[in-house]
Amino acid sequence: QSALTQPRSVSGSPGQSVTISCTGTSSDVGGYKYVSWYQQHPGKAPKLIMYDVSKRPSGVPDRFSGSKSGNTASLTISGLQAEDEADYYCCSYAGNYTFEVVFGGGAKLTVL
Amino acid sequence: QVQLQESGPGLVKPSETLSLTCTVSGGSISPYYWSWIRQPAGKGLEWIGRIYTSGSTNYNPSLKSRVTMSVDTSNNQFSLKLSSVTAADTAVYYCARDRGAANTLDYWGQGTLVTVSS
Repeated sequence: QSALTQPRSVSGSPGQSVTISCTGTSSDVGGYKYVSWYQQHPGKAPKLIMYDVSKRPSGVPDRFSGSKSGNTASLTISGLQAEDEADYYCCSYAGNYTFEVVFGGGAKLTVL
Repeated sequence: QVQLQESGPGLVKPSETLSLTCTVSGGSISPYYWSWIRQPAGKGLEWIGRIYTSGSTNYNPSLKSRVTMSVDTSNNQFSLKLSSVTAADTAVYYCARDRGAANTLDYWGQGTLVTVSS
């Protein structure tokens, strides 16, 4: 399976909203409800911020929301804050004949 | 609070086998899936595979021929072996817990850098 496609960079000003897209195929994003998102600050381990497309783990602010349409999943961050500046990775189950997980290439969010 | 800690050699010679262990503390290793993910410097994440506490495994097809995972429930540990390494295997290696049916990686280790070089 190929990596999922994300924009290399996105940006927004404090208080604004940004959406990060994640495009796959009917064999991964489009075929299953198992899309997750991870936030990674420099030098740190990734942190789960969304799973099963639109579910937020405990402790993740409701400024973060997830959705999916067809083969594209999206992460929206509203009310941008400086600490949201990080890399964001989408991830999908991609099992057709075998269990497989694929990540997107990552999107760098810059808070202007 | 579940914590994961990777351990193992930081330097491996080309053609040799990379071996890492992840120790789970603050919770039981059962009944969950446990995953390995790697990240070359400045690049994205790559799923290596996962193991259930029963020993059942799933591997990335692109690495399957070189990967072996095992679990030691009595010591709350699971391990990764990657054989015939090359410079392309140089990366930060993370262990993580997968709590869902798939790719819900809710706890991560801090990561350990493994460099492949002679």
